[in-house]
Amino acid sequence: AQTVTQSQPEMSVQEAETVTLSCTYDTSESDYYLFWYKQPPSRQMILVIRQEAYKQQNATENRFSVNFQKAAKSFSLKISDSQLGDAAMYFCAYRKKRTDKLIFGTGTRLQVFP
Amino acid sequence: EAQVTQNPRYLITVTGKKLTVTCSQNMNHEYMSWYRQDPGLGLRQIYYSMNVEVTDKGDVPEGYKVSRKEKRNFPLILESPSPNQTSLYFCASTPLERIAYGYTFGSGTRLTVV
Repeated sequence: AQTVTQSQPEMSVQEAETVTLSCTYDTSESDYYLFWYKQPPSRQMILVIRQEAYKQQNATENRFSVNFQKAAKSFSLKISDSQLGDAAMYFCAYRKKRTDKLIFGTGTRLQVFP
Repeated sequence: EAQVTQNPRYLITVTGKKLTVTCSQNMNHEYMSWYRQDPGLGLRQIYYSMNVEVTDKGDVPEGYKVSRKEKRNFPLILESPSPNQTSLYFCASTPLERIAYGYTFGSGTRLTVV
């Protein structure tokens, strides 16, 4: 069965600095999708970034980028120029192609200090 | 505004008293799903529906029921709630042709069973 592991329950970063959140996953599939979701105190789940496994190029969305290492089954999220509004719980998620279910990690709580 | 609406946002109930958490989306999405979020466990899928009158179990369906009589609505029913169902619940939806792009989530329902 596929699993997603986020080994950092909590992280902190100073405003304007860069932070990297880790995610590893276990799968025997070759084609799948990976996601990072942000959950601020409002509880809303917000899609931050998405990566397709067959694409070697790392996805980027403004200050958010990923380091996708397919062989290592690693999918880390880098937040550059951190802002106070980035403080949230971040969830890594996996979906096998041609299935519906998102499998989530346990989350990393990010604190941002001024 | 395109959205997934869950009600209520907060609910405290007693063991054994039947309750329904409603979920409605105005985007004509075929696919809808329910997740529960628990500390240290991330989000886990309870039930999902590919379209009207088509529902199936997720990873943690025990103690829950769902129905999909209309495309826009996907209520979650707890016939006899127990304290271990105290959790944060999310409804999510997506069009089937964009299922690879992640879900649109509702704002969550915080349920406490005493």
